[in-house]
Amino acid sequence: AQSVTQLGSHVSVSEGALVLLRCNYSSSVPPYLFWYVQYPNQGLQLLLKYTSAATLVKGINGFEAEFKKSETSFHLTKPSAHMSDAAEYFCAVTGDNYGQNFVFGPGTRLSVLP
Amino acid sequence: SQTIHQWPATLVQPVGSPLSLECTVEGTSNPNLYWYRQAAGRGLQLLFYSVGIGQISSEVPQNLSASRPQDRQFILSSKKLLLSDSGFYLCAWIFPGGHNEQFFGPGTRLTVL
Repeated sequence: AQSVTQLGSHVSVSEGALVLLRCNYSSSVPPYLFWYVQYPNQGLQLLLKYTSAATLVKGINGFEAEFKKSETSFHLTKPSAHMSDAAEYFCAVTGDNYGQNFVFGPGTRLSVLP
Repeated sequence: SQTIHQWPATLVQPVGSPLSLECTVEGTSNPNLYWYRQAAGRGLQLLFYSVGIGQISSEVPQNLSASRPQDRQFILSSKKLLLSDSGFYLCAWIFPGGHNEQFFGPGTRLTVL
């Protein structure tokens, strides 16, 4: 079975500062990991995904995440925050071939201060 | 390309009334389909998923039911809404057979008064 924890339900950064959103997972099989972003009253949009090809994954909007097996982590980063990055971010994990065990973390709300 | 539709976009219903939310996927066949709910300020709660026509798995026993009458259609229903059914309902699909991401619809905002 898989599980996901996201440290910090709410993170605030200043515009131009580094964004770091934390995700730790638990999986009994090799994990496949995802980061999604959700803007108010919208569906979730995929930012990036890790599927074992490379440990450093680059996504849309300047975000990237690094898979660290020893730390069971998949933290999301962006060098310089923009006001438009303010949203809810979800980390997710799956470990099977049928999508039946697609597990989401509780989410982290990112606020960007001017 | 694939697209996913949900309707209605918003809905206000009285307590005790029935509910029907529809989700339709275009541009793919035999997807796995999912219904999630987000209560205010909460994360995603998986309600139902389906791997094929007529095949529904329930994750949380509650006042809701789901059906999949066609390959790319997924319906969420209730006979009598409760106040606690209010929330943001999201439909999602995935290509089966691989470690693929879920694709989400735009959501339906349900308010039960």
